[in-house]
Amino acid sequence: RKEVEQDPGPFNVPEGATVAFNCTYSNSASQSFFWYRQDCRKEPKLLMSVYSSGNEDGRFTAQLNRASQYISLLIRDSKLSDSATYLCVVKGSNQGGKLIFGQGTELSVKP
Amino acid sequence: GAGVSQTPSNKVTEKGKYVELRCDPISGHTALYWYRQSLGQGPEFLIYFQGTGAADDSGLPNDRFFAVRPEGSVSTLKIQRTERGDSAVYLCASSATQGHVLTFGAGSRLTVL
Repeated sequence: RKEVEQDPGPFNVPEGATVAFNCTYSNSASQSFFWYRQDCRKEPKLLMSVYSSGNEDGRFTAQLNRASQYISLLIRDSKLSDSATYLCVVKGSNQGGKLIFGQGTELSVKP
Repeated sequence: GAGVSQTPSNKVTEKGKYVELRCDPISGHTALYWYRQSLGQGPEFLIYFQGTGAADDSGLPNDRFFAVRPEGSVSTLKIQRTERGDSAVYLCASSATQGHVLTFGAGSRLTVL
């Protein structure tokens, strides 16, 4: 089993739609969680960190469920510019800083 | 520098050759990471440095892969006896502290013929 698993894509949605991505992680001792965004043929960039209490940044909401080892990202009112691959990232359980990426979920927002 | 710089941006080599990929992190960032990414996959962890030392090299696939960071700044990923399966984009990232937010370079695309 992979350490970080994401919904398979691609997700094809119309502009204005709400879309949710899910991610599960295998190690219950994992400490930190992030969502990164990667545009085609570009490097990943931080979208947002994920906090235990859940957090929101404009149209984006991230949630963490430690009991279920589950992370989600909700995008409201999708824009064409949201089209990208969304990567779930988990910090390993050891004392070091190893960050493990999921395989990514591709989102395509259509007019 | 202002961002993470990786060279070369593209490298085409023949099977069996030796390759070096260079990463120049953001100035002052103590942690430096190497990942590789194949088409349709997420970045796969290779190794990370805290300062000059390799804090975790568990992702290096075999002993053909080696990385150094002798002065705690620039890092070089070295691949010996390249194989076609080594073809991928090699991404470098740095962060101010280990395990914190990563800033990636644009990557080095390696093609082994």
